[in-house]
Amino acid sequence: DIQMTQSPSSLSASVGDRVTITCRASQSISSYLNWYQQKAGKAPKLLIYAASSLQSGVPSRFSGSGSGTDFTLTINSLQPEDFATYYCQQSYSNPLLTFGGGTKVEIK
Amino acid sequence: EVQLVESGGGLVQPGGSLRLSCAASGFTFSSYEMNWVRQAPGKGLEWVSYISSSGSTIYYADSVKGRFTISRDNAKNSLYLQMNSLRAEDTAVYYCARVQVARGSNWDYWGQGTLVTVSS
Repeated sequence: DIQMTQSPSSLSASVGDRVTITCRASQSISSYLNWYQQKAGKAPKLLIYAASSLQSGVPSRFSGSGSGTDFTLTINSLQPEDFATYYCQQSYSNPLLTFGGGTKVEIK
Repeated sequence: EVQLVESGGGLVQPGGSLRLSCAASGFTFSSYEMNWVRQAPGKGLEWVSYISSSGSTIYYADSVKGRFTISRDNAKNSLYLQMNSLRAEDTAVYYCARVQVARGSNWDYWGQGTLVTVSS
């Protein structure tokens, strides 16, 4: 099984900050990496697919990069509505997709 | 507008059964692969089960294999999860999610979730 490890597990940031979240796969997954945002009490929302492609309707301040085993989600100029938990997901072993443990972005 | 609406959750005793449903609308349900995913209170996301668009291919997480059964009725635009021999550790919000195939695979639409609580 492919294991996905996110870091940090939580972070505190201020509105306007640039935030970077890292996801590492236990083996190479090429660019088969997705990112989701989940707000408290809500379903997850797809942000980025295939490592760097922005899902329709997602603000351009969100971006993804990486390939192989190391991936990054960057939020430029953090907005109040961005405080949430973020999950990476590998789709290399499609259809058996697995998630990272999540990164909670909190207000500083 | 794509919509996925889960139902059927509730409180059940250990060893009991529940059947979850996911009603789909706003897209051609029969053309899409679907998944069930769950989230225990305060925990992360855990994939539970996958079903192909025709229903001919099915997978389960090891944690539910032999106890849960996924199915679909394309004529009724509905996805189901039959859960038997429920355990306390099955307590979670259960989501259905649609598969989008785009340079890999991802889950582009999710339902709002239905809470399953297993407790005596």
